[in-house]
Amino acid sequence: EAGVAQSPRYKIIEKRQSVAFWCNPISGHATLYWYQQILGQGPKLLIQFQNNGVVDDSQLPKDRFSAERLKGVDSTLKIQPAKLEDSAVYLCASSFAGGLTDTQYFGPGTRLTVL
Amino acid sequence: DAKTTQPPSMDCAEGRAANLPCNHSTISGNEYVYWYRQIHSQGPQYIIHGLKNNETNEMASLIITEDRKSSTLILPHATLRDTAVYYCIEVSQGAQKLVFGQGTRLTINP
Repeated sequence: EAGVAQSPRYKIIEKRQSVAFWCNPISGHATLYWYQQILGQGPKLLIQFQNNGVVDDSQLPKDRFSAERLKGVDSTLKIQPAKLEDSAVYLCASSFAGGLTDTQYFGPGTRLTVL
Repeated sequence: DAKTTQPPSMDCAEGRAANLPCNHSTISGNEYVYWYRQIHSQGPQYIIHGLKNNETNEMASLIITEDRKSSTLILPHATLRDTAVYYCIEVSQGAQKLVFGQGTRLTINP
């Protein structure tokens, strides 16, 4: 079974530029999550989708971050404009139905460096 | 904020059992204890979870105290590949949300 795919793996941009990350979840997984992991910290949930609807985006900085999952499969996360403090690893995860005991499967992440 | 408390780091010799403690003194009756680990440069990986009873799978064992205020993850025969950050997380029934703390950085030494 193929895992969660993310691209690119690494990205370096200058502040005030925009950037987009892509995630393809495990086939058949209805729930998709984006996390931000700053160096030395645990991952922090940014947004959770159930199919193509948003379940939780309370931690998403909506003035600069946006995410979509138009067809309920793959998803993109965008930052516009980027700030220095956005330097982090952006992790995508998926689960079958988002139920209580559903395991979340994580991708390898995209490491973003903002200069 | 994460509601669990874990030691920041631990060491264990290869081949020995690694016992990772976690305090969750404010856990409520409908909250599960989940364990994930994160190997360097990879995304977190699910290990095991439990509610009240002890659990075992092919990766590890989870021992939960009777009062549910703490638990221990046991890796029975640690290998170098078990070097990772281990996260203990309370998950509310129906919440689906993982709130990661700082975790325990486990180093397995040869």
